[in-house]
Amino acid sequence: QKEVEQDPGPLSVPEGAIVSLNCTYSNSAFQYFMWYRQYSRKGPELLMYTYSSGNKEDGRFTAQVDKSSKYISLFIRDSQPSDSATYLCAMSAGGFQKLVFGTGTRLLVSP
Amino acid sequence: GAVVSQHPSRVICKSGTSVKIECRSLDFQATTMFWYRQFPKQSLMLMATSNEGSKATYEQGVEKDKFLINHASLTLSTLTVTSAHPEDSSFYICSANPRLAGGTDTQYFGPGTRLTVL
Repeated sequence: QKEVEQDPGPLSVPEGAIVSLNCTYSNSAFQYFMWYRQYSRKGPELLMYTYSSGNKEDGRFTAQVDKSSKYISLFIRDSQPSDSATYLCAMSAGGFQKLVFGTGTRLLVSP
Repeated sequence: GAVVSQHPSRVICKSGTSVKIECRSLDFQATTMFWYRQFPKQSLMLMATSNEGSKATYEQGVEKDKFLINHASLTLSTLTVTSAHPEDSSFYICSANPRLAGGTDTQYFGPGTRLTVL
C-alpha cells in the first residue's frame, strides 16, 4: 500500500464547476499538507499549505484536512480552463523531512 | 518570494557525455535542496536530498556515482548526470525549503530541466 493515494483521473468538468480533488494517506505522523499544481513540462507550483487539521481558503481554492480520517481535499470554485493541469498532494511529518507525493490528478476544464 | 530557478531548461546530449544542471534559490537561502526526476504522466520521484556543506543523501536505488550532487553554497545546488545514457532521459526538477520561522516544510520547485540523451 502506498503512503499516499490519489486518483490519477483524468477528471473532466465544464467551466464554472466546483472541483473536488482528494488524497488519502496512511502515515499518522504527517502534519504538513500541501497542494501543488503542475502544468505540462513545468515544475510544480505551490497552491495551498495547511498544518494539521482544518480548512484554509485562498481565493477560489479551499484546502481541507481531516487527520482523523487521514483524508485531505482541495476544492476549486468557479473552475476555469486555465485550471487544467495536474494537481499533486504532498505531505510530511515535519522537521524539514522529505515530502511524500501523491501520483497527481489530471484535471481538464472545458470551456 | 521563494523563487527557484534551474538551468538549463532543456538539454540534448550524446550518450556517454556528462550533463550538469544548476538549481538556484533566488530570494532566499536554502540549506537543503531536493532533486527529483519525473517520467511522462508519472509523479515526482525523489532522487536525493542536497545539504549545503555536506554530502547528499540519496534515495534507495539511485546511483550516487552516476548522479553527482554538489551543494556548494546556500543558494546553489548542482546535479551532474555522468556518462548519460538514453534511459537517463527524463524531466529533472529541484526544490528548496526556505526554512522559514515556524517550521513549515513547504518546498518551492524550479521549472525543471528536460534531458534527452541520444
